[in-house]
Amino acid sequence: QKEVEQDPGPLSVPEGAIVSLNCTYSNSAFQYFMWYRQYSRKGPELLMYTYSSGNKEDGRFTAQVDKSSKYISLFIRDSQPSDSATYLCAMSAGSGGSYIPTFGRGTSLIVHP
Amino acid sequence: AAGVIQSPRHLIKEKRETATLKCYPIPRHDTVYWYQQGPGQDPQFLISFYEKMQSDKGSIPDRFSAQQFSDYHSELNMSSLELGDSALYFCASSLRTAGPSFGPGTRLTVT
Repeated sequence: QKEVEQDPGPLSVPEGAIVSLNCTYSNSAFQYFMWYRQYSRKGPELLMYTYSSGNKEDGRFTAQVDKSSKYISLFIRDSQPSDSATYLCAMSAGSGGSYIPTFGRGTSLIVHP
Repeated sequence: AAGVIQSPRHLIKEKRETATLKCYPIPRHDTVYWYQQGPGQDPQFLISFYEKMQSDKGSIPDRFSAQQFSDYHSELNMSSLELGDSALYFCASSLRTAGPSFGPGTRLTVT
């Protein structure tokens, strides 16, 4: 079992929908949580970076971390066709373990007009 | 804003040849990472440097080596290339406790 589990999808939604992307993890030492967007054959782009539990909002994106459940989410409001990409979660332990991010497999998102 | 620069963007090599990938991290970032990503796979961590010293090692084959130079650029050296080494190779950089910013990648094809 991977340390970070992520449903590969694909997840197909209509334009304007609210998208929910999720990851679960097993390592309780993780305390830094990241979401990346990756277009085909491009480098991952850092969307959100959070520390410990709680919510963080940036424009149409909201990241949630629930450390008690070892569960993180990324919400995308008013989704656009340009949001179609693979979304990767990543996490690291930091000073309590390693700073190296461990990635999930990524969820493929398709937003259709 | 400046991003991570990688060169070359595409590289075609034959089996048993060597390849050198270069990375120029974002200025003032103290940590450099190298990742390998196969088709449909998540990025696999290879090696990292903190303040130009090797800090962590992941699933990097013994045929690969990397270093970071005094000007902060890094190189990934790959020898005795195998077909299975064909992948996207990403360099990323960050401040120690921040999320890494990735470069555009080098697509290596081994024939």
